Amino acid sequence: EDQVTQSPEALRLQEGESSSLNCSYTVSGLRGLFWYRQDPGKGPEFLFTLYSAGEEKEKERLKATLTKKESFLHITAPKPEDSATYLCAVQIYGQNFVFGPGTRLSVLP
Amino acid sequence: DGGITQSPKYLFRKEGQNVTLSCEQNLNHDAMYWYRQDPGQGLRLIYYSQIVNDFQKGDIAEGYSVSREKKESFPLTVTSAQKNPTAFYLCASSIAPASGGETQYFGPGTRLLVL
Repeated sequence: EDQVTQSPEALRLQEGESSSLNCSYTVSGLRGLFWYRQDPGKGPEFLFTLYSAGEEKEKERLKATLTKKESFLHITAPKPEDSATYLCAVQIYGQNFVFGPGTRLSVLP
Repeated sequence: DGGITQSPKYLFRKEGQNVTLSCEQNLNHDAMYWYRQDPGQGLRLIYYSQIVNDFQKGDIAEGYSVSREKKESFPLTVTSAQKNPTAFYLCASSIAPASGGETQYFGPGTRLLVL
């Protein structure tokens, strides 16, 4: 069965304390891996798409990387406005997205 | 501004009542999707449509119905057959079917509560 897991479930950081979020997947035929940010009570906001192992994408304090079995979302020197739930989703060839449960990030000032 | 709009933001359903959630996009996207989000779970696909007048069931279609009469619109009806409808409902669209690797973009969501 195709599965996507995310860890940790929740993460509390001090402002400026860098860390990483993990997205692990067990699927056959990965077409793409997607990262989204979701604020409470709002729809997910697209961040990155990764298509092949070794690929990296950056946006401000965020950097996403991809291996054959997992993806990491690295957050460098986070600020309180980075607090949100981060979702990853994988897409298999010829099929729709499979979403992970998300990691809830809190950045304290 | 191009985007996806959902209405209403909050919706209350009485037992035995059908309710309809609206989703409109002006991105000229071909594909549209409906997801359900429950606390602690990933988004689950209810229905999707790749083209006007055509739609397919997702993983949890029971108790829901959709229509796609216009490219811009993809309303979702939560029927009385859906026994646990309380959830956050998200509409998404992509320029082409997601199976081709296209990014899905989401609306702001509708929270459905049961009275």
